[in-house]
Amino acid sequence: DSGVTQTPKHLITATGQRVTLRCSPRSGDLSVYWYQQSLDQGLQFLIQYYNGEERAKGNILERFSAQQFPDLHSELNLSSLELGDSALYFCASSVVGGKGTDTQYFGPGTRLTVL
Amino acid sequence: AQSVAQPEDQVNVAEGNPLTVKCTYSVSGNPYLFWYVQYPNRGLQFLLKYITGDNLVKGSYGFEAEFNKSQTSFHLKKPSALVSDSALYFCAVRDILTGNSGYALNFGKGTSLLVTP
Repeated sequence: DSGVTQTPKHLITATGQRVTLRCSPRSGDLSVYWYQQSLDQGLQFLIQYYNGEERAKGNILERFSAQQFPDLHSELNLSSLELGDSALYFCASSVVGGKGTDTQYFGPGTRLTVL
Repeated sequence: AQSVAQPEDQVNVAEGNPLTVKCTYSVSGNPYLFWYVQYPNRGLQFLLKYITGDNLVKGSYGFEAEFNKSQTSFHLKKPSALVSDSALYFCAVRDILTGNSGYALNFGKGTSLLVTP
């Protein structure tokens, strides 16, 4: 157990809908990262937050947004869902994240199925 | 961008034999390299990382990796494989993103390791 928690574990929804994925980082970690894992794209970085502020952005669609709250938990919002958004979404956390040397610890993931 | 490549989709090894999962990297500057393992329906578990220093890095569950600058490789190794080592293994490299001093991990496509009894 990495100490990173994600809810829900599974999510099934329809095209056009909006969902929210939640992540709680390990105790003491200030950085949160979101990744998407799909069969065709592999593991892709979406976005990083550090202590409430956005720090880095990857190939995140405009329909997707995220935030990190004062208690350091993070939410990833996916809207206008398409079939291609079906994937496993991982959250990771690390102590700081400023230099890239600290380890990212991953949560168990949320499996999103868009029908 | 920094990248890694895992040339093998699958590696098969008999239990008790040594195993190697290959990874090569392409970076500008110093590479920060990581290995993760993913068991079915589980998240990624950290195994080890190379930041600087000794070229042989020891990690969790008896795994180790050898950093080779001349061959731009970071192969994962274990002297004696267990059936329970069967999983998906990912090599990753730190990617520095411009803008707000953040960074990401760029992952290889993964290598499926199958250890047979």
